[in-house]
Amino acid sequence: DARVTQTPRHKVTEMGQEVTMRCQPILGHNTVFWYRQTMMQGLELLAYFRNRAPLDDSGMPKDRFSAEMPDATLATLKIQPSEPRDSAVYFCASSGTETDTQYFGPGTRLTVL
Amino acid sequence: DQQVKQNSPSLSVQEGRISILNCDYTNSMFDYFLWYKKYPAEGPTFLISISSIKDKNEDGRFTVFLNKSAKHLSLHIVPSQPGDSAVYFCAARTRYNFNKFYFGSGTKLNVKP
Repeated sequence: DARVTQTPRHKVTEMGQEVTMRCQPILGHNTVFWYRQTMMQGLELLAYFRNRAPLDDSGMPKDRFSAEMPDATLATLKIQPSEPRDSAVYFCASSGTETDTQYFGPGTRLTVL
Repeated sequence: DQQVKQNSPSLSVQEGRISILNCDYTNSMFDYFLWYKKYPAEGPTFLISISSIKDKNEDGRFTVFLNKSAKHLSLHIVPSQPGDSAVYFCAARTRYNFNKFYFGSGTKLNVKP
């Protein structure tokens, strides 16, 4: 049963702390996406990678957010320092070809106090 | 500036009746549209899609209609079932970037038994 996995599922932290979220895409998928879901904006695309190379990170606040793919089985999204406005659900998704749909993980619910 | 808009945050329907979820878009370059369904504590899952060369696509109880002149699409669920209760996201992309999906803010559907 191939699926995208994300850890942790929930994270509560204090303002100013570093947060790292991890994603394991579906094996064989070469494109990985990071989204953020908020009540007001719905699903916002933060960044995406193809074959581990960043293609677009224009949706990501550059000063505090960073996204990487250390290898084909792991994508990370870091926030440093975190702020209360970063509280949201962060989704990772992967897809296998340019025309394939995107498969989402269960999300990481982040709360910054 | 949201290019895909779902103006109804919620919808309540009686079991067995038709559910109609609406979505409007502003970008005339969009040529492919998708609907995703999301249950609580899970990631969105692909439901149905439609290309701009069509005006209707049907899959079982789910039908998506596209009105290009009005830049409007809708998802019909007939008959609605309690298990359809979820948040439904509309998404769109252009032919120039298959990977970049623009999502709406979602409509929460409640199907009452």
